[in-house]
Amino acid sequence: LAKTTQPISMDSYEGQEVNITCSHNNIATNDYITWYQQFPSQGPRFIIQGYKTKVTNEVASLFIPADRKSSTLSLPRVSLSDTAVYYCLVGVENYGQNFVFGPGTRLSVLP
Amino acid sequence: EAQVTQNPRYLITVTGKKLTVTCSQNMNHEYMSWYRQDPGLGLRQIYYSMNVEVTDKGDVPEGYKVSRKEKRNFPLILESPSPNQTSLYFCASRPGANYGYTFGSGTRLTVV
Repeated sequence: LAKTTQPISMDSYEGQEVNITCSHNNIATNDYITWYQQFPSQGPRFIIQGYKTKVTNEVASLFIPADRKSSTLSLPRVSLSDTAVYYCLVGVENYGQNFVFGPGTRLSVLP
Repeated sequence: EAQVTQNPRYLITVTGKKLTVTCSQNMNHEYMSWYRQDPGLGLRQIYYSMNVEVTDKGDVPEGYKVSRKEKRNFPLILESPSPNQTSLYFCASRPGANYGYTFGSGTRLTVV
C-alpha cells in the first residue's frame, strides 16, 4: 500500500490558485490517485481521481507526472468556502479495502 | 437525491449496551465501507463490503461487526461498546472500481 505525504497546512487568499502536492514514492502500477475534501464534522467529499497525466473537472485539476511518484491537486481561484482538509489517497480501486486517509492538508483561505 | 444515509446522527450510550448504526444508500452501489475519525488519527477503515454477503476487515475492526444482507444497507454493530469506541463514524459507498466514495453525514457516538 502506497504511503502518501502531504503538507500539513497551507494558507491562501481568495481568488488565488492553490496547488497541493502529494508524494507517493512507492505507488504501484495499478494504483489510482484520489483526492477528497472534508469540512469539519462532515464526511469527505470526492473531488477528483486520476491515473496519469492530467485530469480536469468542474472543481479541480489533477496533475500527475510520468513517474507517478507525486501528484498535484490544483484549485483555481479559491474562495473562503474552500477552507477544508484535503486528502490524497493512493490505492487499488478494484478493492474496497486499504484506502488509508493520511492527516491531509488543512487549507485556510483568507479574505 | 443520491445519498448515503446514516442513523442516528448523534448517540450517547453506556458501556456494554449493544447498539447498531444504520447505513443505507440509494445509488445501487456495490461497495460500502465504514470509517471512524478521531482527532490526531485521521480516518481509519473499520470494515468494507464489495457486495451482498461479501465483507472484510479494514484497519481497525476489533469490537465491531457488520452485515450486508441487502445491497443498499450496511449496518455497523457494536456488541459491547467501550469508551474507546467514542468517535465520529462515517459510512461510504461507491459504484465499483475506479470511482470515489460518497460519504454519509456521520454519526457521533459517545460511550460513557
